[in-house]
Amino acid sequence: RKEVEQDPGPFNVPEGATVAFNCTYSNSASQSFFWYRQDCRKEPKLLMSVYSSGNEDGRFTAQLNRASQYISLLIRDSKLSDSATYLCVVNNDGGTSYGKLTFGQGTILTVHP
Amino acid sequence: GAVVSQHPSWVICKSGTSVKIECRSLDFQATTMFWYRQFPKQSLMLMATSNEGSKATYEQGVEKDKFLINHASLTLSTLTVTSAHPEDSSFYICSAQRGNRGEKLFFGSGTQLSVL
Repeated sequence: RKEVEQDPGPFNVPEGATVAFNCTYSNSASQSFFWYRQDCRKEPKLLMSVYSSGNEDGRFTAQLNRASQYISLLIRDSKLSDSATYLCVVNNDGGTSYGKLTFGQGTILTVHP
Repeated sequence: GAVVSQHPSWVICKSGTSVKIECRSLDFQATTMFWYRQFPKQSLMLMATSNEGSKATYEQGVEKDKFLINHASLTLSTLTVTSAHPEDSSFYICSAQRGNRGEKLFFGSGTQLSVL
C-alpha cells in the first residue's frame, strides 16, 4: 500500500465548477499534512496546510480526518488558472526533519472554458 | 521571501558522464536540504536528506555511490549523478528547510536531466 494515495484523475471541469480531491495516508503517526500545487515541470508550491479543524483560504478548503486518515481539498468556483496537478503531502517525522515529505502521485485538474 | 536557487535547469548529457546539480539557499541558512526525484506522471520521491557538515542520509533503494551528495556549507548542497545512464533521466528537485516547521520548506525550480 502506498504511503499517500490519491485519485490521479484527470478531473476535467468547466470554469465555475466545484471540485473535490481526496487523499488517504497509511501512517497513523503522521504529523503534518499539506496540499501542494505543481505545474508541469515546475517545482511544487505550497497551497495550504491542513488542520484537523479544517481550514479555508479563499476558494480553497482543506479538511483532515485523523480517525479515517483522510485528507480532502475542495476548490470552489474553479478558474482556468487552477489547472495543475494537486499533491497531497504528509510529513511523518515529528522530530527535526519537518522537510522530509511524502508526496502522493498527484491529481490532475484541468479547468476548461 | 526565501529563495532557493537550483542550477542547472536543464541538462542533456551522454551516457557515462557525471552531472552535478547545485542547490543554494539565497537568503537563509539551511542546515538540512532534501533531494527528490520525479519520473513522468509519478510523484516526487525523496532520495536523500543532506545535512551540513555530515554525511547524507539516503532513502531505501537509492545508491549512495551513484548519487553523491555534498553539503559543504549552510547555503549549498550538491547532487552529483555519477556515470549517468538513460534510466537516470528524471526531474531532480531540491528543497531547503528553514527553521523547524514544514511550512518553512522552500523548493528549488528543479533540474530536468536527460541522458542520451
